[in-house]
Amino acid sequence: ETGVTQTPRHLVMGMTNKKSLKCEQHLGHNAMYWYKQSAKKPLELMFVYNFKEQTENNSVPSRFSPECPNSSHLFLHLHTLQPEDSALYLCASSQTGTTIRYGYTFGSGTRLTVV
Amino acid sequence: AQSVSQHNHHVILSEAASLELGCNYSYGGTVNLFWYVQYPGQHLQLLLKYFSGDPLVKGIKGFEAEFIKSKFSFNLRKPSVQWSDTAEYFCAVMNTGFQKLVFGTGTRLLVSP
Repeated sequence: ETGVTQTPRHLVMGMTNKKSLKCEQHLGHNAMYWYKQSAKKPLELMFVYNFKEQTENNSVPSRFSPECPNSSHLFLHLHTLQPEDSALYLCASSQTGTTIRYGYTFGSGTRLTVV
Repeated sequence: AQSVSQHNHHVILSEAASLELGCNYSYGGTVNLFWYVQYPGQHLQLLLKYFSGDPLVKGIKGFEAEFIKSKFSFNLRKPSVQWSDTAEYFCAVMNTGFQKLVFGTGTRLLVSP
């Protein structure tokens, strides 16, 4: 375990469904991130939260809606997804001030399949 | 904008062979550089990082990387690979002004016994 826990590990959903991905970190970090990992593409940074405030949204479609109720929890709400949204969604955390020294700590990801 | 290029998408080696994976980045300012590894079915984990000082950095499991500023490169090396090194390797860059990690496309390494 890395200290960053993602649930569920696998998710299959229809294009009309609504589901949520959950991320929890036990490291006392104050920054959290969502990345999308697709085959043959670089990891794409989707959202950045610092101290619960969203500080970056990399032109992510509105069918992805993040929520950060506190510094330890991060959600990604999904609705009316497309098959091309199928990917591994990774959550990561870091501690502001030491991020550039230590990088991020990643969770194991949620493998999402949209059918 | 920053970008990272990993030129080798797939590498196949026999055990005991030497490994070098290329990584080039584009950014004119001061950067911090990372290599992450993702073993099959596992999470991304930090292999090594360059923050400052000696441009030759050593990481876990016998890996090392050399930062060559003039070439914008941060190549990963290991003198003798093992079957257990089979994994996907990601180079990433972060500029010192922000905390955003930008990744390359990854290199999938297969080591045959």
